[in-house]
Amino acid sequence: DIVMTQSPDSLAVSLGERATINCKSSQSILYSSNNKSYLTWYQQKPGQPPKLLIYWASTRESGVPDRFSGSGSGTDFTLTISSLQTEDVAVYYCQHPLGTFGQGTKVEIK
Amino acid sequence: EVLLVESGGGLVQPGGSLRLSCAASGFTFTTHWMSWVRQAPGKGLEWVANIKEDGSAKYYVDSVKGRFTVSRDNAKNSLYLQMNSLRAADTAVYYCAKTRSVAGTGFDHWGQGTLVTVSS
Repeated sequence: DIVMTQSPDSLAVSLGERATINCKSSQSILYSSNNKSYLTWYQQKPGQPPKLLIYWASTRESGVPDRFSGSGSGTDFTLTISSLQTEDVAVYYCQHPLGTFGQGTKVEIK
Repeated sequence: EVLLVESGGGLVQPGGSLRLSCAASGFTFTTHWMSWVRQAPGKGLEWVANIKEDGSAKYYVDSVKGRFTVSRDNAKNSLYLQMNSLRAADTAVYYCAKTRSVAGTGFDHWGQGTLVTVSS
């Protein structure tokens, strides 16, 4: 089974500053059939279901602000919020779309 | 508008059973894999099970194999999760999630969830 490990577990960032979350998979999730890494990122705010932010490691879902970006390939991935806004306070999860989620990273305002 | 509405949660004793339902609307149900994802109180997300468009393939997380069964009724646009031999560790909000059509692109719509509490 593929295990997804996120770091850090939590971080506090000042408004307008950059937030970076890492996700590592236990094996490569790059699929040669389409040269895509099957890595998705979700945002979950308190009391709400998760929201899809990014798929294929770097493709933003429609409607997601461009301050959210994803990068990486193979086993190491990053979600970056370029300029943190109040509404970005949430828990962020990476996932291999065939199942496993990372443990989550809580993002707060410093 | 895509809507996923879960129902069937509640309080059940250890060893008991529950059947969760998810009513889907606003999209072509028969062309999407569907999943159940759960979240224990104050914890992270855990994928539980998924089912292929026509129900011919089903997959489960190891911790529920042999106890939970995922099914669907495409005529009713509905997804189900039959949960037997429930344990305290199964206490969670259970979400129904729609998988995007293109491989590897994740769950693009989620229900609001239904709470299952396993306790004596």
